[in-house]
Amino acid sequence: ETGVTQTPRHLVMGMTNKKSLKCEQHLGHNAMYWYKQSAKKPLELMFVYSLEERVENNSVPSRFSPECPNSSHLFLHLHTLQPEDSALYLCASSQDPGSGANGYTFGSGTRLTVV
Amino acid sequence: GQNIDQPTEMTATEGAIVQINCTYQTSGFNGLFWYQQHAGEAPTFLSYNVLDGLEEKGRFSSFLSRSKGYSYLLLKELQMKDSASYLCAVKDSNYQLIWGAGTKLIIKP
Repeated sequence: ETGVTQTPRHLVMGMTNKKSLKCEQHLGHNAMYWYKQSAKKPLELMFVYSLEERVENNSVPSRFSPECPNSSHLFLHLHTLQPEDSALYLCASSQDPGSGANGYTFGSGTRLTVV
Repeated sequence: GQNIDQPTEMTATEGAIVQINCTYQTSGFNGLFWYQQHAGEAPTFLSYNVLDGLEEKGRFSSFLSRSKGYSYLLLKELQMKDSASYLCAVKDSNYQLIWGAGTKLIIKP
């Protein structure tokens, strides 16, 4: 248990499906992040939320839609995905976006397979 | 552009020492992190360097040279459980983390 919980751990979905990934943290952190991790590639930052407001969107396709209803919860809504979207999706949190020495706390991720 | 380079894979023997290097070119520098990630698990924080020099934490040490854009993670007395990927990340001038692709470390008995 890392303090950041992601569900589901594994997800297989068709290209026409709609699904949502959930992330929850009870560390009192003010910033939350979605990352995409593909094999042998650097972590790709998708979205950043600070105090429930989106502060960064790294040109992510609109088929990915984030939602942050409060500082403890973060969702990633998925629709009409492509096979190349198959990856590990990691949620992370930090004290604030410019967090210092403690860095980020990550969840264990959702392994997404698009068929 | 911004870039973090680290070897893709390394192999070492149980009980030995291994050094994983990381070089970076970023727009500004506000600290360098090392994370450990076991297969199928969350990356976990190992170390943070913001000043030049060596930071020691048990069997793990991390070194930074800002003038050379270089860091290394040193793992001593290797154990089988150290088999994992090691991620290097640099915080740039906008306080965003720039990540390397990770180094997969394989420990053999």
